[in-house]
Amino acid sequence: GQQLNQSPQSMFIQEGEDVSMNCTSSSIFNTWLWYKQEPGEGPVLLIALYKAGELTSNGRLTAQFGITRKDSFLNISASIPSDVGIYFCAGQRTVTSGSRLTFGEGTQLTVNP
Amino acid sequence: DTGVSQDPRHKITKRGQNVTFRCDPISEHNRLYWYRQTLGQGPEFLTYFQNEAQLEKSRLLSDRFSAERPKGSFSTLEIQRTEQGDSAMYLCASSLRLGTINTGELFFGEGSRLTVL
Repeated sequence: GQQLNQSPQSMFIQEGEDVSMNCTSSSIFNTWLWYKQEPGEGPVLLIALYKAGELTSNGRLTAQFGITRKDSFLNISASIPSDVGIYFCAGQRTVTSGSRLTFGEGTQLTVNP
Repeated sequence: DTGVSQDPRHKITKRGQNVTFRCDPISEHNRLYWYRQTLGQGPEFLTYFQNEAQLEKSRLLSDRFSAERPKGSFSTLEIQRTEQGDSAMYLCASSLRLGTINTGELFFGEGSRLTVL
């Protein structure tokens, strides 16, 4: 079952607003990834984080790998309507062996124009 | 398009029938994964291959499920004697393992949605 707690479950915001969402775990992950999924499509990788404390940006998206290795955060600045979708965090325990990802339950983002 | 491709995109079947899904990974990727996603949930790991070897299987993968990657390229996921609880999106992903290090980044296909009536 799911081991990652992702919050909030849903967000309704106005275009232009900034968005923050986070993911926490009871156990340590060595890699954190953030994906976006649109209806009827597979998840698309947004940002990958490999080091505790790392802060990485991809355009208007910024993600951070928590120092404790048990959490991660995603921020979206100046939201636009095409940001609508479900955002998933995913954790990976090791990069030297099995690569399975454990996913959170997602944050549904709605952006009102 | 050089991304992960899955076929069929949609499958409707009657309970008890067998279904098979195909996945073609990104050509240079040596690892291939199958995940299952139900409505309102994140993807859940089923199994993965490195080249043609199936290295790990989840407890979610009952004996009615079988996955193969015979030549280390495309993969198939077969579900025998389907049940209504098998209705879900079946996602395939691929990644690249370099030496002993995995890049950690999985690239997903668009999924195969299964509906069991």
